[in-house]
Amino acid sequence: EPEVTQTPSHQVTQMGQEVILRCVPISNHLYFYWYRQILGQKVEFLVSFYNNEISEKSEIFDDQFSVERPDGSNFTLKIRSTKLEDSAMYFCASSGLKGGTGNEQFFGPGTRLTVL
Amino acid sequence: GIQVEQSPPDLILQEGANSTLRCNFSDSVNNLQWFHQNPWGQLINLFYIPSGTKQNGRLSATTVATERYSLLYISSSQTTDSGVYFCAVAYTGGFKTIFGAGTRLFVKA
Repeated sequence: EPEVTQTPSHQVTQMGQEVILRCVPISNHLYFYWYRQILGQKVEFLVSFYNNEISEKSEIFDDQFSVERPDGSNFTLKIRSTKLEDSAMYFCASSGLKGGTGNEQFFGPGTRLTVL
Repeated sequence: GIQVEQSPPDLILQEGANSTLRCNFSDSVNNLQWFHQNPWGQLINLFYIPSGTKQNGRLSATTVATERYSLLYISSSQTTDSGVYFCAVAYTGGFKTIFGAGTRLFVKA
């Protein structure tokens, strides 16, 4: 069964460093998403991506964040200068059709980011 | 924006008991999903159910879109059902998916 994969599973970084989180969405999906979950809290939407551009982003997704689909399979989230409060689990998701129009999103296992 | 409220926030069950989890949302949605977050943090898809009723084994879900709520039923609960159950919705015409705060379930043996 196709699944979303994410690497690394856990990343530890120093405050101020850049990190890149990687995702391989399900191969025939068209819409890609990043979410984060601070420990013990709910899952928060960061950004959606379609047709090589951002389709929607939340207020959390400021200039420190960027997304890219560098080739036909990978989808990345970059945090330029990490802060302590960026420590969280980051989930990638993909869906076949537009999320709001109605299609099931499938989530990867997450990358736990720890900023020291 | 859309508000998503889940109840109860916490639930403790004896193994074998049944339970109903509720998700209320404040606006029209085209996408509603239920997830189980297991102790390892993985989000497991349970149901994609913007409307109607679905069943999968001991779990079933019903969404009444016109009244803006969804229910998740767990029957004959097992210890492996423990974890956090999230409801997530996307509003009509949008991409942003809003998660509720979750219901934390603990099933005692």
